[in-house]
Amino acid sequence: DQQVKQNSPSLSVQEGRISILNCDYTNSMFDYFLWYKKYPAEGPTFLISISSIKDKNEDGRFTVFLNKSAKHLSLHIVPSQPGDSAVYFCAASSVTGGFKTIFGAGTRLFVKA
Amino acid sequence: GAGVSQSPRYKVAKRGQDVALRCDPISGHVSLFWYQQALGQGPEFLTYFQNEAQLDKSGLPSDRFFAERPEGSVSTLKIQRTQQEDSAVYLCASSPTQGLFTGANVLTFGAGSRLTVL
Repeated sequence: DQQVKQNSPSLSVQEGRISILNCDYTNSMFDYFLWYKKYPAEGPTFLISISSIKDKNEDGRFTVFLNKSAKHLSLHIVPSQPGDSAVYFCAASSVTGGFKTIFGAGTRLFVKA
Repeated sequence: GAGVSQSPRYKVAKRGQDVALRCDPISGHVSLFWYQQALGQGPEFLTYFQNEAQLDKSGLPSDRFFAERPEGSVSTLKIQRTQQEDSAVYLCASSPTQGLFTGANVLTFGAGSRLTVL
């Protein structure tokens, strides 16, 4: 049962344009949603998070939007830079679910110069 | 230490061998997690420690998998009688959070241990 789904395995974007990465979830009890970024041969690193009571959180070039009724969130990167090329994981956690964080399968972003 | 350290970075084992993977979390971090990441997939939860107590081991795929954190710092994930399907990257993560967290539980990951079982 995949509770967090990232349906696009890859995305290619031109430098300077907007990158939009999407994520869907099934568990309405999730309290927090997080995005992690992963470069090859490194562990995932935290990027940005959003509480389930918010619909938007912004940090520099990165903005996460949450649509609870649709059980959908998205990460916007603008403007995209070649250094943003990485795998992006959507993740979610709930207090009632204990301490485990559930990850999606990831979306590989290519930003072309 | 400054980050989460994992060793070995790469391990090749013959089917049936036992392996031990080590994780050195950030000093002072109460919570420690092990995840398994198969090729092309996201990290899958294996087990969670709060200090030396293993509070959740629901993700361990079989009784061949065993994890410990005897002094509440370094942790070891042991896999007995390895099988080919155990081939994956094993990620360790730590966080300072304990008890019911009031914010997002941000994990700091190590670089992982890549296990290949032949």
